[in-house]
Amino acid sequence: DSGVTQTPKHLITATGQRVTLRCSPRSGDLSVYWYQQSLDQGLQFLIHYYNGEERAKGNILERFSAQQFPDLHSELNLSSLELGDSALYFCASSVATYTGELFFGEGSRLTVL
Amino acid sequence: KNQVEQSPQSLIILEGKNCTLQCNYTVSPFSNLRWYKQDTGRGPVSLTIMTFSENTKSNGRYTATLDADTKQSSLHITASQLSDSASYICVVSRNTDKLIFGTGTRLQVFP
Repeated sequence: DSGVTQTPKHLITATGQRVTLRCSPRSGDLSVYWYQQSLDQGLQFLIHYYNGEERAKGNILERFSAQQFPDLHSELNLSSLELGDSALYFCASSVATYTGELFFGEGSRLTVL
Repeated sequence: KNQVEQSPQSLIILEGKNCTLQCNYTVSPFSNLRWYKQDTGRGPVSLTIMTFSENTKSNGRYTATLDADTKQSSLHITASQLSDSASYICVVSRNTDKLIFGTGTRLQVFP
């Protein structure tokens, strides 16, 4: 158990819909990262938050947005969903930024029908 | 361009055998290099983190090496077990502002 909690574990929805994925980092970790992993693909970096502020953006679509709240949990919002958005979405946390150990959650599997 | 390349893409070995996975990177400036193990459908789990000054690091049957001069790393798995079947991902940290992921090597261990 990494200590990073992601909900929901599985989500099935239709095209055009909007979903919210939630991540609770390990206790004490200030950084939260979001990654997308499509079937048999590598991890694609979406966005990084540190202590409530956005630090870096990767290949995140405009239809996607995220935020980190004062209690340090984070939410990833995916809207106007398309079939190609079906993927595993991972959250990871670390104490600081990119030099420290990264702990991944078990992911949220999104299926868009 | 900052890149991390892993080879082979996939590998099949028999239980009990050893294997070595390769990672070449062009990331600069370099901060550290990590190896992760990802079981199918699960989150990646860290195996090792190595900084510039570390040549070798072990975690049980996993031994990672780093040659910062040639920008190469390897992950050696000794006496493989069925549970070693997974994807192994090499990740390089660029200074303090970015993590660059390789696409991984998929290892299958058969009895």
